[in-house]
Amino acid sequence: NAGVTQTPKFQVLKTGQSMTLQCAQDMNHEYMSWYRQDPGMGLRLIHYSVGAGITDQGEVPNGYNVSRSTTEDFPLRLLSAAPSQTSVYFCASSAGQGVYNEQFFGPGTRLTVL
Amino acid sequence: AQSVTQPDIHITVSEGASLELRCNYSYGATPYLFWYVQSPGQGLQLLLKYFSGDTLVQGIKGFEAEFKRSQSSFNLRKPSVHWSDAAEYFCAVGVGNNDMRFGAGTRLTVKP
Repeated sequence: NAGVTQTPKFQVLKTGQSMTLQCAQDMNHEYMSWYRQDPGMGLRLIHYSVGAGITDQGEVPNGYNVSRSTTEDFPLRLLSAAPSQTSVYFCASSAGQGVYNEQFFGPGTRLTVL
Repeated sequence: AQSVTQPDIHITVSEGASLELRCNYSYGATPYLFWYVQSPGQGLQLLLKYFSGDTLVQGIKGFEAEFKRSQSSFNLRKPSVHWSDAAEYFCAVGVGNNDMRFGAGTRLTVKP
């Protein structure tokens, strides 16, 4: 099992550009989530999904879109990147439909917006 | 509002010494509490969790944590630290079924 994979590992964007961060898991987990990690602030939940076709907002959803067309994939879209979105992004997944089972995290994507 | 506070940004301990990392939470209902560890350049890994029952919970890698409702605390402990424990440690509280709030983290340095 590859676990949770994220691509790319690093990305530099200019303000206003769009991009998609990819996340995939091969554990057949129902719950998937996206976090951003900023210095001194820990991780903050952006969006989550409890199954294919179901997504919802977390603590900091503005500027991000998600979709969940399959169990395996949960891409995060930045429609118009802003410098405030410079961060490290983590995708996670867990069995069941909530955060109470162990969340398995991907290795992260480091995004810089100039 | 639900929140998690980790008062110590950075802690340095000698190898073989004991460790306690502090965590305080603010949450109206019965909290679901977690400790995660992040090694440099890696994602997070679950160390342990508390939902109910025995207030002293055991985790992986020799860690344990104690839930104290009266103090709104969930401190992480280890009797003897190894150099490989150097990492960043995050306390978190579950909010409802699908949300989780993390503390800002405590970075642990282990001196030889």
